[in-house]
Amino acid sequence: GAGVSQSPSNKVTEKGKDVELRCDPISGHTALYWYRQSLGQGLEFLIYFQGNSAPDKSGLPSDRFSAERTGGSVSTLTIQRTQQEDSAVYLCASSWTSGGLDTQYFGPGTRLTVL
Amino acid sequence: GENVEQHPSTLSVQEGDSAVIKCTYSDSASNYFPWYKQELGKRPQLIIDIRSNVGEKKDQRIAVTLNKTAKHFSLHITETQPEDSAVYFCAASNPTGNQFYFGTGTSLTVIP
Repeated sequence: GAGVSQSPSNKVTEKGKDVELRCDPISGHTALYWYRQSLGQGLEFLIYFQGNSAPDKSGLPSDRFSAERTGGSVSTLTIQRTQQEDSAVYLCASSWTSGGLDTQYFGPGTRLTVL
Repeated sequence: GENVEQHPSTLSVQEGDSAVIKCTYSDSASNYFPWYKQELGKRPQLIIDIRSNVGEKKDQRIAVTLNKTAKHFSLHITETQPEDSAVYFCAASNPTGNQFYFGTGTSLTVIP
């Protein structure tokens, strides 16, 4: 079946502009995670959605970052007033339930470049 | 919060030899420990995981061990092949699974 998809695959933007990154999880997966991966670095947890519950935003690096998940499916990560240090690959992952019990499946990522 | 450390950051082995990657964690409540393989330019993919109620798990050439008392877990790859070359990440999750903490990765190179 279809895996996790993300769009766009690449995004180049100018400093100060807002960007929206989209994630389509695997159908039926209730848990959705966003991560950031800077060049040569590990994965940094950003935010977690579980069903229709309030998201765990504890990993968001600043108030310029926000995310929503509509209808318990598609998620959008928004970065306002982008900075050069926001340049990274943003990965989305989904799982059937909370990741502690189920495998996370990763999307291909969105490579964000802030000029 | 949880802190996951991973060593070594780079590892080169001859084809056929074994490779071992080690991770430590700080939060004794963590109870799920997956390992991911990320090939260049591709997404991370789960290769093996272990839960805190077991000490070892094997899947063909790959094994993971967990020492809860010492709070460390390790990935073992035997009979390495060139296609094992990739970056490997360990991770730890709390019981509710709402947060995952990743190690900084190990770049494994298998020399033919």
